[in-house]
Amino acid sequence: DARVTQTPRHKVTEMGQEVTMRCQPILGHNTVFWYRQTMMQGLELLAYFRNRAPLDDSGMPKDRFSAEMPDATLATLKIQPSEPRDSAVYFCASGPGRDTGELFFGEGSRLTVL
Amino acid sequence: KNQVEQSPQSLIILEGKNCTLQCNYTVSPFSNLRWYKQDTGRGPVSLTIMTFSENTKSNGRYTATLDADTKQSSLHITASQLSDSASYICVVRPRKVNNNDMRFGAGTRLTVKP
Repeated sequence: DARVTQTPRHKVTEMGQEVTMRCQPILGHNTVFWYRQTMMQGLELLAYFRNRAPLDDSGMPKDRFSAEMPDATLATLKIQPSEPRDSAVYFCASGPGRDTGELFFGEGSRLTVL
Repeated sequence: KNQVEQSPQSLIILEGKNCTLQCNYTVSPFSNLRWYKQDTGRGPVSLTIMTFSENTKSNGRYTATLDADTKQSSLHITASQLSDSASYICVVRPRKVNNNDMRFGAGTRLTVKP
């Protein structure tokens, strides 16, 4: 049963701490996305990768956020330093890269920054 | 202004009743439109996909319609069940070469009560 795996599922941290979220995309998918979801904004695109290359990270605050794909089985989203306004659910999704391709979402990482 | 607008924002219905969710978009030209279902605490899951040449598509008790001229889509749920309680998100994909940019609606929160 292929699925996107995200860790951690929940994270509570204090302001100023570093947070790293990890994602294992579905094997064979060549596009990976990071989204942030809040009650106010819905799903916002933070970054996406195609064949491990970052194609768009315009939605990401560059001073504190960074996204990488060190290999095809791992995508990371790092926040340093974290702030209370970063509290949200972060979703990773992968897709086959075709125009009609469906996005497969992970279960999300719920981040609370105190 | 968001290019994908959904209405209503939230909806409460009784089990067994039908309901219709709306999605209006301004994305043009567009490649396809998907409806996703997001259960509480889970990631979104695709329900249906509509291309610009399709008018209606069914998936069990879910029926999606598309009017490409008026840029409107609807998701009709028949004989609602308690498990239909979720957020329903409309996602429109622009037609671009090698494009993975998608425009998300804010979602409709559906609650089905016994």
